Amino acid sequence: GAVVSQHPSWVICKSGTSVKIECRSLDFQATTMFWYRQFPKQSLMLMATSNEGSKATYEQGVEKDKFLINHASLTLSTLTVTSAHPEDSSFYICSARDEEMWDTDTQYFGPGTRLTVL
Amino acid sequence: AQSVTQLDSHVSVSEGTPVLLRCNYSSSYSPSLFWYVQHPNKGLQLLLKYTSAATLVKGINGFEAEFKKSETSFHLTKPSAHMSDAAEYFCVVSRGGTSYGKLTFGQGTILTVHP
Repeated sequence: GAVVSQHPSWVICKSGTSVKIECRSLDFQATTMFWYRQFPKQSLMLMATSNEGSKATYEQGVEKDKFLINHASLTLSTLTVTSAHPEDSSFYICSARDEEMWDTDTQYFGPGTRLTVL
Repeated sequence: AQSVTQLDSHVSVSEGTPVLLRCNYSSSYSPSLFWYVQHPNKGLQLLLKYTSAATLVKGINGFEAEFKKSETSFHLTKPSAHMSDAAEYFCVVSRGGTSYGKLTFGQGTILTVHP
């Protein structure tokens, strides 16, 4: 149980285009999902918290107009990188909490999406 | 505020020898602490979690960690390393208060296992 998927697993795009990444909880419902970014040889940094049916909350320093998050259902959150530039190239990872479980602060992570902007 | 410091960026061991990955935390309340493992090109996998029920936590694949409040440490150990243990390991603390459930990651420790 507690499986999270991401799609696509990797994407290459041209500078100035937008890219959408999907995060799905496959066998549980998640009112809260999280988006992280991991630069090469660095740790994961939380970008934003995605809340089903309401606006996402962004960490300090993360541009909400650049990283659009939509959490339209209890099993799907999407991250859209708008007008992507080479410095946005990174590994994007989502996670979800299974809030039916007693330990609601355990997060289950997706396999990540590698974005390369040319 | 909560923070995590992993004391070694790289650890190298021989197969069959013990593994010790060190982690110190800072928290203004009683934290939840985790160890996650990340294999190349794979997602993060939860190894174990501390939630104050027991100070010695057993995880998957023979790993365990001991919570020591007096030392603010949560070191990860395994008696005998296997080649498949080679990966990057993250010590993680769960934030509290209004940021409940958000995770703060340590910088990671890359474990290399030699034959």
